[in-house]
Amino acid sequence: NAGVTQTPKFQVLKTGQSMTLQCAQDMNHEYMSWYRQDPGMGLRLIHYSVGAGITDQGEVPNGYNVSRSTTEDFPLRLLSAAPSQTSVYFCASGGTSHNEQFFGPGTRLTVL
Amino acid sequence: GEDVEQSLFLSVREGDSSVINCTYTDSSSTYLYWYKQEPGAGLQLLTYIFSNMDMKQDQRLTVLLNKKDKHLSLRIADTQTGDSAIYFCAENRGYSTLTFGKGTMLLVSP
Repeated sequence: NAGVTQTPKFQVLKTGQSMTLQCAQDMNHEYMSWYRQDPGMGLRLIHYSVGAGITDQGEVPNGYNVSRSTTEDFPLRLLSAAPSQTSVYFCASGGTSHNEQFFGPGTRLTVL
Repeated sequence: GEDVEQSLFLSVREGDSSVINCTYTDSSSTYLYWYKQEPGAGLQLLTYIFSNMDMKQDQRLTVLLNKKDKHLSLRIADTQTGDSAIYFCAENRGYSTLTFGKGTMLLVSP
C-alpha cells in the first residue's frame, strides 16, 4: 500500500492563477480531508468528504473547492490563488479501527 | 470555545522525562491523538486514547486523560535528541476530522 499520496510536493503560483492539488489513497477509506498548516496555527480543516459524491466544509473553506468522484481521489482546487493561501497542505484519509487519520506528505504552496 | 490549547515550547535535557500538556473542549470527543512533526516532514501518529480511558502506555510514551478537566498529557520517558520535534494534540470531531492544537515545540539538549 502506498497509503496517502499527494502531488505536487512543491508549487509556486502567481496571484489569480488556478491549480489543483491531488490526493489519492489506496486503503479504501471512506473519509478524506484537507488541512492547511500555517506557522503558529497548527492544522486547520478546509474541506472533508464522508464518501464518494459527499463533501462538506471545514473551518477555513473560502477560496477552495473539492469534489469526490471516486473513493480513492479527493482533489483540492484553488480557483484564483491569493497570497493568503501560501501554506503547507495536507490530505488525510480516515480508517475505521480507531478513527485514525493517515496523512499524506504535504504540498508546499507559495502564491506570489 | 472551539480551541485545543497547548503550551508552545518545552526544553529538556537528554535522559529527562518530557511532559506535554493539552486542553480540549468537546466533552463528546471519542478519540484524542498525539502527532509528531519533524522539520519539513508530515505528521506521524504517536499514540491515541479513547475518551473512556484514563491512561495509555506505549513503550516510552504515556498518555494521561482527565475528562473532568478536559486535560490530556503526553509523557516521554528518557527523552532523546531524536525526540526534538513539534508535538500536536488533536481531538476527533466526527467523520475522522480532527481539531488540532497549535503544537508544542520540544527541544532536547545533550
